[in-house]
This record gives sequence, structure tokens and C-alpha cells, in this order.
Amino acid sequence: SAVISQKPSRDICQRGTSLTIQCQVDSQVTMMFWYRQQPGQSLTLIATANQGSEATYESGFVIDKFPISRPNLTFSTLTVSNMSPEDSSIYLCSVGQGIRTDTQYFGPGTRLTVL
Amino acid sequence: GDSVTQMEGPVTLSEEAFLTINCTYTATGYPSLFWYVQYPGEGLQLLLKATKADDKGSNKGFEATYRKETTSFHLEKGSVQVSDSAVYFCALSDSGNTGKLIFGQGTTLQVKP
Repeated sequence: SAVISQKPSRDICQRGTSLTIQCQVDSQVTMMFWYRQQPGQSLTLIATANQGSEATYESGFVIDKFPISRPNLTFSTLTVSNMSPEDSSIYLCSVGQGIRTDTQYFGPGTRLTVL
Repeated sequence: GDSVTQMEGPVTLSEEAFLTINCTYTATGYPSLFWYVQYPGEGLQLLLKATKADDKGSNKGFEATYRKETTSFHLEKGSVQVSDSAVYFCALSDSGNTGKLIFGQGTTLQVKP
């Protein structure tokens, strides 16, 4: 399975600021995804990070709030912009090599607290 | 759209008890089904998966069988340990072949010695 790292592992930020989260994989992967896990809740997909093109966002998530980059097949970033306390969550990236039958592997997550 | 429903927790068991966590799904196609586990303070780990009807996924003493007729994928373990205490998520791959996963709400398991 792929080894996935995320930076930072946790952060405490002030309202109105932005934070960029990095996701690094130890091998080339086809699919990369960003999820949000609000306190005590399940995972919600934010977007699919597409290599070389704009990310595909899920309903309720917009590029201005969560800009995503994916410059190559091993790296992606998610920015949480103009943060509010409601953005306090764990943000996880995941990777997969294909669709449907393939397995997604998750990074350790970034725990974000917004004051 | 596709969805996953898990039994509500928390589930509290004594060590060596039998575990069942129910999971049912709604999907327009033929999804793959997964169980992920999240230990305290950690990310998600794949526990097991099944890709077609009647497949049984198994790992670390956990099992789940893909039941198309009942649209279920219940997680079972014959004898739980304190170290199994975690949050368990049932998930399916969405029918649109996008590679996305749709998760259930998660079930917290606490095993007491």
C-alpha cells in the first residue's frame, strides 16, 4: 500500500487566516481526494484533485474556499481560506490507483482548530 | 444517490465478546464495499473489502460478507479485544465510477477488560 504523509499534523489558527495542507505520496497514484471530518462526524468528500487540471468539487464546497493544487502524481495541497471556527475539522487526503474496485489509502490527517 | 447507513453507537462490549456492527447501503449500481477503522488520534486504515456479491472480506479476525439481496455488509468478530476499541466506518465506492467513497456515520466500539 502507498505511504502517505500530511503536513502539518495539526495547527491552531486565527479566524480570517488561511492554511495550506500538504499531502505527499511515496509512489505515483492516479486518484487523490480530500475529505473533511468534522468533530464526532463521518467523512465528507471535499473534492477530487486532478493532476494538471482544476479539482472537481462536491456539492457545498467551492474553489474560492478550498483551493486545491495537484502539480504531479505524488503531491497535492488543500488550502482552507478565510477560516472560521466552523472550519475546525480533521482534513484527510486519500489516494487510489483506479476506480470502483480499487482501495483508497488515507493519510494521517491534519487536525485544524480555528479560534 | 448512493448512501450508507450504520448502526448507531457507541457499542460497549466486554473482552472476548462477539461483535456485530450493522451496515446497509443504497446504490444504483454494483459498488465495492469497505470497512475502515480509525483508532484514537489516528487516520483511517482499511480493515477489509469486498468487490462483488457473496464475497467475504476478512482481516485481523474481522469478517464481512457482501449481501446483495439484503444490501448489507455487516462487520463481525468472534472475540473482541481491548485493542479493537476504535471507530468503524462502512463505505462504498460510488456508482458513477468516479473513484469516490461514500461513508456511513461511523460506529464507536469500546471494549472493556
